[in-house]
Amino acid sequence: KAGVTQTPRYLIKTRGQQVTLSCSPISGHRSVSWYQQTPGQGLQFLFEYFSETQRNKGNFPGRFSGRQFSNSRSEMNVSTLELGDSALYLCASSADSLNTEAFFGQGTRLTVV
Amino acid sequence: GQNIDQPTEMTATEGAIVQINCTYQTSGFNGLFWYQQHAGEAPTFLSYNVLDGLEEKGRFSSFLSRSKGYSYLLLKELQMKDSASYLCAVTEGNYQLIWGAGTKLIIKP
Repeated sequence: KAGVTQTPRYLIKTRGQQVTLSCSPISGHRSVSWYQQTPGQGLQFLFEYFSETQRNKGNFPGRFSGRQFSNSRSEMNVSTLELGDSALYLCASSADSLNTEAFFGQGTRLTVV
Repeated sequence: GQNIDQPTEMTATEGAIVQINCTYQTSGFNGLFWYQQHAGEAPTFLSYNVLDGLEEKGRFSSFLSRSKGYSYLLLKELQMKDSASYLCAVTEGNYQLIWGAGTKLIIKP
């Protein structure tokens, strides 16, 4: 059974650009959550999708958006990139709506220069 | 408000026992997770506590007291490969996961 797959693994962008990150959850998983991780800050919750609907949203500006497709794959978009957006972006999938266990992808390391 | 506290860093000796504490204040509670994250890797699941008490799984055990908003992860017979960050997370009433900043555990020979 394949794990959670995130693409790309590494990305370098310049300020002002926009970026789209992709996450393919474990087959059969319907819940996908996105997190931003920076040194010393822990995992900061961005949003969660379940069955194509955004179920929860963290405290990030509107430049951060996401969506989920009918096959449960999810994308996250960041527009007008800022230097502070440099981080590891992690995607996690869960089998059910109760988040009883989240499986993480390897993450996308985004560097904004 | 939502708050999860755990020590930033701990150091322990190979072969010893270490206890990593986590206290939380959240809007509702459905369960508490512990995850392990090695540097440069994704977090991996260690344990999930819903009821009060101790859950043992090999060298790792996790304890929960809901009335005190407190949990700990106990690691026995420490090995060098246990050097990692340990993340505490709570699912709130809406099943959203709230994460602590993590505890970096350093194991010395």
